[in-house]
Amino acid sequence: KQEVTQIPAALSVPEGENLVLNCSFTDSAIYNLQWFRQDPGKGLTSLLLIQSSQREQTSGRLNASLDKSSGRSTLYIAASQPGDSATYLCAVPIQGAQKLVFGQGTRLTINP
Amino acid sequence: NAGVTQTPKFRILKIGQSMTLQCTQDMNHNYMYWYRQDPGMGLKLIYYSVGAGITDKGEVPNGYNVSRSTTEDFPLRLELAAPSQTSVYFCASSYPERGWEQFFGPGTRLTVL
Repeated sequence: KQEVTQIPAALSVPEGENLVLNCSFTDSAIYNLQWFRQDPGKGLTSLLLIQSSQREQTSGRLNASLDKSSGRSTLYIAASQPGDSATYLCAVPIQGAQKLVFGQGTRLTINP
Repeated sequence: NAGVTQTPKFRILKIGQSMTLQCTQDMNHNYMYWYRQDPGMGLKLIYYSVGAGITDKGEVPNGYNVSRSTTEDFPLRLELAAPSQTSVYFCASSYPERGWEQFFGPGTRLTVL
């Protein structure tokens, strides 16, 4: 059974720092991995989708890497800003209709 | 495109009442999903559909029903509401040609008292 774990559960850093969020999964036979952002009381916004054949994806100040063999993905946020404060979720699909299994998320707070 | 839309945004039900959560997508995605999110937890899959007329159970289907009569709509039905169904419900859709990227609606916050 696929299980997804995100560490740490919460993270608070001063503005301007570079930071890394971690995501691990137990079954390395994944099709892709998706990172989401969730603001309080809001829905999920897709940030990055990494296909299994890719090692990383970049969007602006965000960079996500994928190491299938070790069952790990990292989300790197450069030059953090208070507007980056949110919960970040990673998810991997289960075979058949690509149903997503989610981690519990990392709640990120960027202090001005 | 509006993407994935959900109604209502909020709802309070009494124990035993029934309701339907509406979900519509205008991206012509074949695959649609219903998830629930409990406080401090990740999302869990309730039901999913691979196309009109085809639905299947996810991880936590008890107490729910779905139907898929069109590509656009995927309503979720609660027949006898229970306090354990207090949660935030998210609908999502995906398409193979987009690398199976899932797009989510804004959610419905449901409280059962």
